[in-house]
Amino acid sequence: KAGVTQTPRYLIKTRGQQVTLSCSPISGHRSVSWYQQTPGQGLQFLFEYFSETQRNKGNFPGRFSGRQFSNSRSEMNVSTLELGDSALYLCASSPGTSQGNEQFFGPGTRLTVL
Amino acid sequence: AQSVTQPDIHITVSEGASLELRCNYSYGATPYLFWYVQSPGQGLQLLLKYFSGDTLVQGIKGFEAEFKRSQSSFNLRKPSVHWSDAAEYFCAVGPKRLAYKYIFGTGTRLKVLA
Repeated sequence: KAGVTQTPRYLIKTRGQQVTLSCSPISGHRSVSWYQQTPGQGLQFLFEYFSETQRNKGNFPGRFSGRQFSNSRSEMNVSTLELGDSALYLCASSPGTSQGNEQFFGPGTRLTVL
Repeated sequence: AQSVTQPDIHITVSEGASLELRCNYSYGATPYLFWYVQSPGQGLQLLLKYFSGDTLVQGIKGFEAEFKRSQSSFNLRKPSVHWSDAAEYFCAVGPKRLAYKYIFGTGTRLKVLA
């Protein structure tokens, strides 16, 4: 079974731009979660999508948004980029149908904002 | 407030020595507990998880963890460390309901001396 894939792996943007990151979950998984990882802050939960609906949301500003398609692929968008948005963005997929389902993480997208 | 604390940012051990990584959590009730490992350039891989029952949990790669309710701790241990164990380790908690709003610690980076 193919793992979670994220594209692109690396991205360089400038302040004020917007960016879209993509995540393809494991086949059959319907839940996709997004996390922001920065040194010293660890992983911060952004949001989770299940069957095209946002099911959970973290404490990030509205500049961070996401969506999920009918094939469970998910995209995350960040508008009006700030220097502090530089981070590794991780996507995790799960069946999403029962408590404690294991999350499988992708390799991440490294975003650098200049 | 819900939180996960990993008090050791860096740990260095010699190959063959034993290892214990500490994790303390603050949560309203006993959550699901997890340990993940992240190698450079990789996503997170689940080492083990605790849901209920036996408080000593066995995981992959020879790791184990012990849940101590009275101390709100979930420490990770390995009796003999291998050079390939050098990585960053994350403790996480998750709610006992259908949600994936995991709270992660800030991580412990393990260095192994040959």
